[in-house]
Amino acid sequence: EAQVTQNPRYLITVTGKKLTVTCSQNMNHEYMSWYRQDPGLGLRQIYYSMNVEVTDKGDVPEGYKVSRKEKRNFPLILESPSPNQTSLYFCASSLMVGNTDTQYFGPGTRLTVL
Amino acid sequence: LAKTTQPISMDSYEGQEVNITCSHNNIATNDYITWYQQFPSQGPRFIIQGYKTKVTNEVASLFIPADRKSSTLSLPRVSLSDTAVYYCLVGYNFNKFYFGSGTKLNVKP
Repeated sequence: EAQVTQNPRYLITVTGKKLTVTCSQNMNHEYMSWYRQDPGLGLRQIYYSMNVEVTDKGDVPEGYKVSRKEKRNFPLILESPSPNQTSLYFCASSLMVGNTDTQYFGPGTRLTVL
Repeated sequence: LAKTTQPISMDSYEGQEVNITCSHNNIATNDYITWYQQFPSQGPRFIIQGYKTKVTNEVASLFIPADRKSSTLSLPRVSLSDTAVYYCLVGYNFNKFYFGSGTKLNVKP
């Protein structure tokens, strides 16, 4: 089954404790992206990757890192999480990035930073 | 990147047709219009995409006037399970996508 998976689905952590949220897709997609969703603010793009070893900042990259060592994986890293990073996070992928490319989203990771 | 404007929320009743309009005055010539649906605590999923006139699939219809400055997502005979947030996307900007806040549709029994 074609899908985007994320782990963990739920995470409660404390300020400053490094964490990684994994994202994997099995569709051989080139484009992958991370979003965060907060009440009243909709979906905001954090980072995206055009292909292996090619990543770039989205609209809200501060406090986050990403890597793309393999085509299927795109982990989101929070080196020193803070309470304002408490949010619902979604990973997405698409075949390429273009006008007609549909994004497929993962189930989401709900992160709470105390 | 074309900025989009949608109503924040809409109410409807089961069995009614729902039309959600999105304004995108500065749409570019080669921009497509794409709509996504998001249920609570789930990732958005693709509903429909179009460039001009009318597109229909098993879930919805998309109406785009000749000037393409707006588009209307039409959901026929909605049910309670259509309660969700609907996002209109137009184009992309330097490989980035802008979802905005979407329209929260509340379907009542």
